Amino acid sequence: RKEVEQDPGPFNVPEGATVAFNCTYSNSASQSFFWYRQDCRKEPKLLMSVYSSGNEDGRFTAQLNRASQYISLLIRDSKLSDSATYLCVVNRGNYGQNFVFGPGTRLSVLP
Amino acid sequence: NAGVTQTPKFRVLKTGQSMTLLCAQDMNHEYMYWYRQDPGMGLRLIHYSVGEGTTAKGEVPDGYNVSRLKKQNFLLGLESAAPSQTSVYFCASAKGVPGELFFGEGSRLTVL
Repeated sequence: RKEVEQDPGPFNVPEGATVAFNCTYSNSASQSFFWYRQDCRKEPKLLMSVYSSGNEDGRFTAQLNRASQYISLLIRDSKLSDSATYLCVVNRGNYGQNFVFGPGTRLSVLP
Repeated sequence: NAGVTQTPKFRVLKTGQSMTLLCAQDMNHEYMYWYRQDPGMGLRLIHYSVGEGTTAKGEVPDGYNVSRLKKQNFLLGLESAAPSQTSVYFCASAKGVPGELFFGEGSRLTVL
């Protein structure tokens, strides 16, 4: 079993739809959590950090459930420009090597 | 505003050849990383560095070597390339851990 798992995707949704991505992690010592976005043939870029209390950035909402070791990303009112692969990233602790990436979930927003 | 720069962007090698990928960052970051990305596998850590003069192995270090002689540069070497090393390689840097990772644009390597 991979340490970080995500919905396999791809997700094909119409513009304006709400879409949710799920991520689970197996290492209970994980301390920090992130969502990165990766456009086709581009580098990953930080979308948002995920805090225990949940956090929102415009149309994006991230939530963390430490008890279930589960992270989610909700995108409301999807735009064509949201089409990308979304990577769930977990950091096990304050050491340099401890970022673990999920395989990613691809989203295509259709006109 | 260069950020993280990788060279070369593309390279084709024959089995057994050697090459070096260069990563340069201008943000004065302490932490630097080399990842490889393969379909369905996510990014996997090859080697990393927590400061100038230091390097350490990541998840998939075999067949690769690294050096960080200067804080701003992190070199990834392939001594004897194999087809299994065909991949997209990303360099990243971070000011601290945990913190935001800043990635280069990637280097696409094909080993025939």
